[in-house]
Amino acid sequence: SAVISQKPSRDICQRGTSLTIQCQVDSQVTMMFWYRQQPGQSLTLIATANQGSEATYESGFVIDKFPISRPNLTFSTLTVSNMSPEDSSIYLCSVEDSLGGTQYFGPGTRLLVL
Amino acid sequence: KQEVTQIPAALSVPEGENLVLNCSFTDSAIYNLQWFRQDPGKGLTSLLLIQSSQREQTSGRLNASLDKSSGRSTLYIAASQPGDSATYLCAVHGSSNTGKLIFGQGTTLQVKP
Repeated sequence: SAVISQKPSRDICQRGTSLTIQCQVDSQVTMMFWYRQQPGQSLTLIATANQGSEATYESGFVIDKFPISRPNLTFSTLTVSNMSPEDSSIYLCSVEDSLGGTQYFGPGTRLLVL
Repeated sequence: KQEVTQIPAALSVPEGENLVLNCSFTDSAIYNLQWFRQDPGKGLTSLLLIQSSQREQTSGRLNASLDKSSGRSTLYIAASQPGDSATYLCAVHGSSNTGKLIFGQGTTLQVKP
């Protein structure tokens, strides 16, 4: 299984500012995924990040709002830009086990926008 | 469009009971199905993965079944314990193997001592 860490674990931000969330995996993986979990809701995929190419965004999510970097096979960042209170959520990164297809998730970043 | 539904939304049982959590999905063309556990304020812990060609998977007191043709999966928890209290999420991985998981809303389980 993969061990995933995220930084920060939580943050309180002012509206209009941006926050960059880091995701580090203990092994090399092809695809990394970023999910959002709004309060009381389930998880929704934001985008898929492949090393060396542009991230692929799901419907309703755009690069200007959620720019993603994937500089190598063990690391990715998600930036939440020009934040509003509606961005208050838990943001989670995940990776997929190439052998069996199991997905593993990081501990999440709890974001509160005031 | 794939939709995943979990019933019930919440469940409270006394310690020691066996229980079943249900998950249904609208498109039977899936790659696999995964059950997760989420504790309050925490990330997701993978419990079981069932490939589309499999009927069930077991891990300890947990047993997950898959009936792809009817679009259903169940998670059976035997001899429940207070430590099993958490939200259980079912997620479907589509047949295109993009890695995208479609999640249900979850079942919040409380096991009372």
